[in-house]
Parts: sequence; structure tokens; C-alpha cells
Amino acid sequence: AQSVTQLDSHVSVSEGTPVLLRCNYSSSYSPSLFWYVQHPNKGLQLLLKYTSAATLVKGINGFEAEFKKSETSFHLTKPSAHMSDAAEYFCVVRVSGTYKYIFGTGTRLKVLA
Amino acid sequence: GAGVSQSPSNKVTEKGKDVELRCDPISGHTALYWYRQSLGQGLEFLIYFQGNSAPDKSGLPSDRFSAERTGGSVSTLTIQRTQQEDSAVYLCASSPDSSEQFFGPGTRLTVL
Repeated sequence: AQSVTQLDSHVSVSEGTPVLLRCNYSSSYSPSLFWYVQHPNKGLQLLLKYTSAATLVKGINGFEAEFKKSETSFHLTKPSAHMSDAAEYFCVVRVSGTYKYIFGTGTRLKVLA
Repeated sequence: GAGVSQSPSNKVTEKGKDVELRCDPISGHTALYWYRQSLGQGLEFLIYFQGNSAPDKSGLPSDRFSAERTGGSVSTLTIQRTQQEDSAVYLCASSPDSSEQFFGPGTRLTVL
């Protein structure tokens, strides 16, 4: 069965320092992977998606993620955190051959001034 | 353009009552999803509809939960005989294909 594991439930970084949110996936097939962000009291928004094209995927707000098949990882990074990045981030895998999505448990990012 | 809308935004009910939650997807989107997000938890898949295919109900937690999608558009999630553990935010999303889901603002359900 396909699944994603977000390795950290909480991450704290200082403003201006790099962000790393970790996600490992489990899939027998070439997966479709996504990162979504949920700001407080706001709806979920797509950050970026990997669908077997380039392994380095660039998203909105300066975020990017790299698909590494050998490590079964799809970590989300940003070179320099901004206060507005404080939110909850979800790694998501689409079940192959379906329109069904499996969400990770989320990582809450805190940005310190 | 209009996004996914959900109503009501908040619902408070008493244990044992039935509730109906509504989702209006983006026009033309063939797929529609329901998720549940409990406090401090990730999103729990409930059900999805894709075109005219039979819905995937594999995430519904009990037979008290049901959903329908009329005319390939509006969807209603019904919870019968609500329990306190049903308290959560219920999220609806729609998608034109398999590339991205567009989420509504959610309905916060509180069961007293």
C-alpha cells in the first residue's frame, strides 16, 4: 500500500535560515507526490507536485522539493525562512491508478524572529 | 473564479442528532473528495467521487457516515446519530484531474 511518512511533527527555524521538512514515501510504482500548506484558519493550498518529470520541483513562495527514488524521499526545502512561512505542511501521495490521495500527518513549522 | 464552497462554516449539534454538510465544487471538476481533520491530526480520507464511477467509500469510519453527489456537482456528507468523536473539521476538495486538489474552507462540527 502506498503511504507517506512525515518524519517531524514540529520544526522550528529562525527567520532567514534554511527550512527542511522531511517526507518519505512508500510506493511500488513511480508515485505522484505533493506538498500542501495550511496556514492558520485558512484552506489548504498546493505548494508543489512531482509527477515523474524533473526530479527537482519548484513551487510557490520559494519552496522546492527533490524526488530521490534511491532514498524514497521527497523533502521540502526553502533557502531562507520568512515569518509568513509559519504553517502546517502536508506531504501527499496519490494512489496509483486512482484519484485517491493519502496525506501525511503534517509538520508544523514555526519561524522564530 | 469561484472556489470550492462549504456550508455551514460552523455547526454545533447535540449528540445523537443527524447533520448534513454541503460542498459546492468548482464547476467542471470531475472529482470530489471529503476529508476529516481532527484537532492536531492530519487529513483523514473519507470518500471520493470521480465522474459517473461508483464512489470510493473506503475511508468512511462507520455506517453512520454517508455521502452523495447529485448531478455530478454538489455533494452532501451526512452523519447520523452524531457522537462526540465526530467533532472535527470536515474538508471538501475538488479536482479537474489527478494533478491537484482545490480545497474548501471546511465545516467545523462540534458535537456536544
